[in-house]
Amino acid sequence: GDSVTQMEGPVTLSEEAFLTINCTYTATGYPSLFWYVQYPGEGLQLLLKATKADDKGSNKGFEATYRKETTSFHLEKGSVQVSDSAVYFCALSATSGTYKYIFGTGTRLKVLA
Amino acid sequence: EAEVAQSPRYKITEKSQAVAFWCDPISGHATLYWYRQILGQGPELLVQFQDESVVDDSQLPKDRFSAERLKGVDSTLKIQPAELGDSAMYLCASSSTRRGYEQYFGPGTRLTVT
Repeated sequence: GDSVTQMEGPVTLSEEAFLTINCTYTATGYPSLFWYVQYPGEGLQLLLKATKADDKGSNKGFEATYRKETTSFHLEKGSVQVSDSAVYFCALSATSGTYKYIFGTGTRLKVLA
Repeated sequence: EAEVAQSPRYKITEKSQAVAFWCDPISGHATLYWYRQILGQGPELLVQFQDESVVDDSQLPKDRFSAERLKGVDSTLKIQPAELGDSAMYLCASSSTRRGYEQYFGPGTRLTVT
């Protein structure tokens, strides 16, 4: 079945460091891909999305490119801030049936001042 | 900006008691989802509604969990009886299309079963 694999956390960075959180997926067809962010005690917020191969999603300085050849959707940011500390989830939307979301296990990011 | 509403935000209940959660999706969103998120894990879909109909409840423990969306708008998720292993965050989400593009999540209900 469809699945999403994320790099394990926590990831600890200093402010202004470069961020990469790896995400790979297994799916039939061409799923849509998403990154969500969850702050402590809150629900998930959509960060960015890509719906087809080579699409680049971007928002708030974060970027991710849909790489069909490597089945990846890695999240990057050039300069992280303390306020980016949160848990980041990679997800795919299945390409058939009910188009359900499959989430990764999440990667906790901690940014130090 | 329209948001998904959930209540209560926190619930503490004793084992074997009944508990219910409520969700009001973004107006006009036909698809509604209930997820369970265990601490340290990603959300797992419990049930998906298209309007008032259930389209996926394959992961819903039907011996104790039930969900309804009678008028195709707001929804209730019930657990009876609650067990210790049900302690988790229960998230509601909605989207405007069945393909699941851009699901919008509510703040969640944190359930603790003692």
